[in-house]
Amino acid sequence: DAKTTQPPSMDCAEGRAANLPCNHSTISGNEYVYWYRQIHSQGPQYIIHGLKNNETNEMASLIITEDRKSSTLILPHATLRDTAVYYCIVSLLGNQFYFGTGTSLTVIP
Amino acid sequence: SQTIHQWPATLVQPVGSPLSLECTVEGTSNPNLYWYRQAAGRGLQLLFYSVGIGQISSEVPQNLSASRPQDRQFILSSKKLLLSDSGFYLCAWSVNSGPQPQHFGDGTRLSIL
Repeated sequence: DAKTTQPPSMDCAEGRAANLPCNHSTISGNEYVYWYRQIHSQGPQYIIHGLKNNETNEMASLIITEDRKSSTLILPHATLRDTAVYYCIVSLLGNQFYFGTGTSLTVIP
Repeated sequence: SQTIHQWPATLVQPVGSPLSLECTVEGTSNPNLYWYRQAAGRGLQLLFYSVGIGQISSEVPQNLSASRPQDRQFILSSKKLLLSDSGFYLCAWSVNSGPQPQHFGDGTRLSIL
């Protein structure tokens, strides 16, 4: 599975959109992009996943570039409860996830 | 709806003692099951995954083993714990077809003394 690169930390003001980037330049044509978040001392929570089209659900939007080498997770109106570590994962079948160190997002009041 | 249960939530064990962590899934059949470990301040490391009863794949050589005696039960074991086995252990499940996301339990925090 392709490797991903994320910034180690980001801040976002409460109520503003949080845009979390992820680079996956070696992604193959059939690999999906998954996003999870982990609040301290809890199990990771699934957020969203996609192949090539932009995706949106009740939690977030996922924007994948046309060449698929990078993606952005958008939390439209960040709240304090969105403070967490966010992981971007690339996987062919979803059965072997390799988690990096993710991005630690801090939402500031 | 599907739910995943892990227990215990926390565990303190002496070095050299055995270990058994259990994970069960409800509301689905024939799921893929996974065990991960997370060391303090680190990302998750995949330890084992299973696509069916009795079918276990190991990702890293270690002091641990896994078993799947029933369709929705996944057990992580050790005969003799090491200090390096300390960590946060997470079980996850996914639908056994296509690129479906994994869903995680609440984890077990294991401390070895």
